[in-house]
Amino acid sequence: DSGVTQTPKHLITATGQRVTLRCSPRSGDLSVYWYQQSLDQGLQFLIQYYNGEERAKGNILERFSAQQFPDLHSELNLSSLELGDSALYFCASSVEGTIGSYEQYFGPGTRLTVT
Amino acid sequence: GDSVTQMEGPVTLSEEAFLTINCTYTATGYPSLFWYVQYPGEGLQLLLKATKADDKGSNKGFEATYRKETTSFHLEKGSVQVSDSAVYFCALSSLDDMRFGAGTRLTVKP
Repeated sequence: DSGVTQTPKHLITATGQRVTLRCSPRSGDLSVYWYQQSLDQGLQFLIQYYNGEERAKGNILERFSAQQFPDLHSELNLSSLELGDSALYFCASSVEGTIGSYEQYFGPGTRLTVT
Repeated sequence: GDSVTQMEGPVTLSEEAFLTINCTYTATGYPSLFWYVQYPGEGLQLLLKATKADDKGSNKGFEATYRKETTSFHLEKGSVQVSDSAVYFCALSSLDDMRFGAGTRLTVKP
């Protein structure tokens, strides 16, 4: 158990809909990262937040957005969903804010299926 | 942009065999390099890392050396066990990005 929790575990929704994925980091970690893992594109870094502020942006689509709240949990919002958005979405957390400098601890993921 | 290329799998070995999974990278700066492991139904776990040239990362019998001259970070283990069966990802990080290889599935048979 990494200490990172993600909800829900599974999500099935229709094209055009909007969903919110939630992540709670390990106690004491200030940084949260979101990743997408799909068969087509492999594992991709989406976005990072550090202590409530956006720190780094990867291959995140404009239809997707994220935020980190004062209690440090984070939400990833996916809108206007397409079939190709079906994937496993991972959240990770680390103590500090520089990618790669500190170990990232991954949650178990949310599997999103768009039908 | 930065990228990681790793050996395609799947790789199937017998217990106690020697493992090598190749990983090469392209980067403009001086990235940190990582190997992550993903067991079925779980998130990724950091296996080892190296932050500068000639550094050797090691953990649980796995090793990888950061080779700047060959832009490589190959993963090795002298004697694999059934419990090492998993998907292995090579990754690099720069200041504001993280890139992963496609992953290599390893199956170890008793």
